[in-house]
Amino acid sequence: QVQLVESGGGVVQPGRSLRLSCAASGFTFSSYAIHWVRQAPGKGLEWVAVISYDGSNKYYADSVKGRFTISRDNSKNTLYLQMNSLRPEDTAVYYCARDLRGGPAPIKGTFDYWGQGTLVTVSS
Amino acid sequence: EVVLTQSPATLSLSPGERGTLSCRASQSVGSSLAWYQQKPGQAPRLLIFDASNRATGIPARFSGSGSGTDFTLTISSLEPEDFAVYYCQQRSNWLPTFGQGTKVEIK
Repeated sequence: QVQLVESGGGVVQPGRSLRLSCAASGFTFSSYAIHWVRQAPGKGLEWVAVISYDGSNKYYADSVKGRFTISRDNSKNTLYLQMNSLRPEDTAVYYCARDLRGGPAPIKGTFDYWGQGTLVTVSS
Repeated sequence: EVVLTQSPATLSLSPGERGTLSCRASQSVGSSLAWYQQKPGQAPRLLIFDASNRATGIPARFSGSGSGTDFTLTISSLEPEDFAVYYCQQRSNWLPTFGQGTKVEIK
């Protein structure tokens, strides 16, 4: 079955960096775009970034552009999110989520499988 | 950025009742709208995509309708496990955005 498992969350001071990972199994990882979506405590969902199946295309929300970098290693079935210059407002549970559409077709932007999330807390 | 407004914020219903949730977009998104269910401490689950298509394994009591700017998620007869928060989400103009959520609670 499709599984996505996030790791790397924790408590970090403002201005510092953190790298999240998302390990995938149960499907052909290299055939799907993967997204990061976050949820601040008690709040709604916010899309963060997406990377295409082959890593050639990446898109970011304005709120993280220039600070966060999404990447993937298809040989390891793993997605990453490098988060730099962290701010208190980045505090959230970060989910990785698979795009509904696989293959070289354009990214669909609908999320059919989600991990359980990893909590990032930015606080001094 | 397309803003999605969900109503009502909270819907109080009894098991077996029909639930109707609304989502309005600030500009047309065609049929590029999805619905998700989220229970406390869990990740969201995809229910409906492209406005009216049920995702794999989703019971037939969940249905979606609408196009353009006005969309509806209907739960025909609420089961105990359906009490949760529901989010709509659009993906047009390549910036996915979510509504603020509707909480369906037990009356």
